[in-house]
Amino acid sequence: AQSVAQPEDQVNVAEGNPLTVKCTYSVSGNPYLFWYVQYPNRGLQFLLKYITGDNLVKGSYGFEAEFNKSQTSFHLKKPSALVSDSALYFCAVRDGQGAQKLVFGQGTRLTINP
Amino acid sequence: DAGVTQSPTHLIKTRGQQVTLRCSPKSGHDTVSWYQQALGQGPQFIFQYYEEEERQRGNFPDRFSGHQFPNYSSELNVNALLLGDSALYLCASSLLWRTDTQYFGPGTRLTVL
Repeated sequence: AQSVAQPEDQVNVAEGNPLTVKCTYSVSGNPYLFWYVQYPNRGLQFLLKYITGDNLVKGSYGFEAEFNKSQTSFHLKKPSALVSDSALYFCAVRDGQGAQKLVFGQGTRLTINP
Repeated sequence: DAGVTQSPTHLIKTRGQQVTLRCSPKSGHDTVSWYQQALGQGPQFIFQYYEEEERQRGNFPDRFSGHQFPNYSSELNVNALLLGDSALYLCASSLLWRTDTQYFGPGTRLTVL
């Protein structure tokens, strides 16, 4: 079965500094990977996805993610953090060929300090 | 263009009761998936509906059932509620032939007392 792991429950970054939220995956076949963000009392908002192609994927709100096949990682990055980026971030993988079931990590709480 | 909508926003029930949650997909979408997000956890897949049939199911008991209507909206029913059913229930919609991005609604917060 496909799975993702987010090794950090919490990440704290100063405003203006670069941020990284880590995700590693375990899949059979080609991975279809996603990042979602969840603000308090809100549903999940789609940030970006990797299906195939360039290893650097650009998404919403200035976020990007780097797919690394050799390290089985898909880390979320942003060059300069904003206080408004503070939220819960989830990495997910599509489970199965042609299936749309998503398997999520446990989430990482990102806090940007002013 | 309306996104995914869910109702109600919050719900409080007691053990043993039954509950129905509702979801309207994003305009143009034909597939609805339901997820359960317990406090401090990532969402877990319950099931998915397409053309009014359950297409795929996660590891949830038969107390969890669903329905999809001809207009693609969907309901999630949970019978014989347990305290452990307390969670945020998320609905996601997508196009079946585009097996990638799912768009999520704001969720229904269910509290079982």
